[in-house]
Amino acid sequence: QVQLVESGGGVVQPGRSLRLSCAASGFTFSGYAIHWVRQAPGMGPEWVAVMSYDGSNKYYADSVKGRFTISRDNSKNTLYLQMNSLRADDTAVYYCARAGLGGGDGYNDAFDIWGQGTMVTVSS
Amino acid sequence: QSVLTQPPSVSAAPGQKVTISCSGSSSNIGNNYVSWYQQLPGTAPKLLIYDNNKRPSGIPDRFSGSKSGTSATLGITGLQTGDEADYYCGTWDSSLSAWVFGGGTKLAVL
Repeated sequence: QVQLVESGGGVVQPGRSLRLSCAASGFTFSGYAIHWVRQAPGMGPEWVAVMSYDGSNKYYADSVKGRFTISRDNSKNTLYLQMNSLRADDTAVYYCARAGLGGGDGYNDAFDIWGQGTMVTVSS
Repeated sequence: QSVLTQPPSVSAAPGQKVTISCSGSSSNIGNNYVSWYQQLPGTAPKLLIYDNNKRPSGIPDRFSGSKSGTSATLGITGLQTGDEADYYCGTWDSSLSAWVFGGGTKLAVL
């Protein structure tokens, strides 16, 4: 079935790095923009980054710009999020979500498929 | 402080109707499509409405969406206890080149 599965979360010290992966199955991964969205405990979702279907466009939230890098390997049906210089306020569940429905330009379409999330805890 | 403004909470009795508002600006709601998401405790958000007023396959017609100017509204009729959840609006912000979510509205079905 159509699904996204995140992995790579864990506990990391402030200032260290972590790489998250988002594996897609059941659909043509290379045809869709995919987003990273995070949600801190007890808070609402916060958008992190998006990469267009072919990797030609990527956008970041100001809170992660310069520290996080989004990338994708369409041959492996996988999206990545490289997170450097991690801070305590990066602690959250990280979801990947497909921009799969809408009349927009792809990367700004609605999020129709979400993964189950992977928890990242930044703590000393 | 969220770019999109939602009421923190709404409530209504089973069987009744409720609306949830989402206020933004010309750079986001005013010039882009709005979507709505339902989040039950411990689960990922689920798409309810896209392109302001369209429902994905499988979403009952009790859920509806509308947009006027720089505001959008989610409507839920025939409320059920299972509708108790957090609801979020979202859209692209062309000035920020970023997706933005509302702060969320907790629905209580009393």
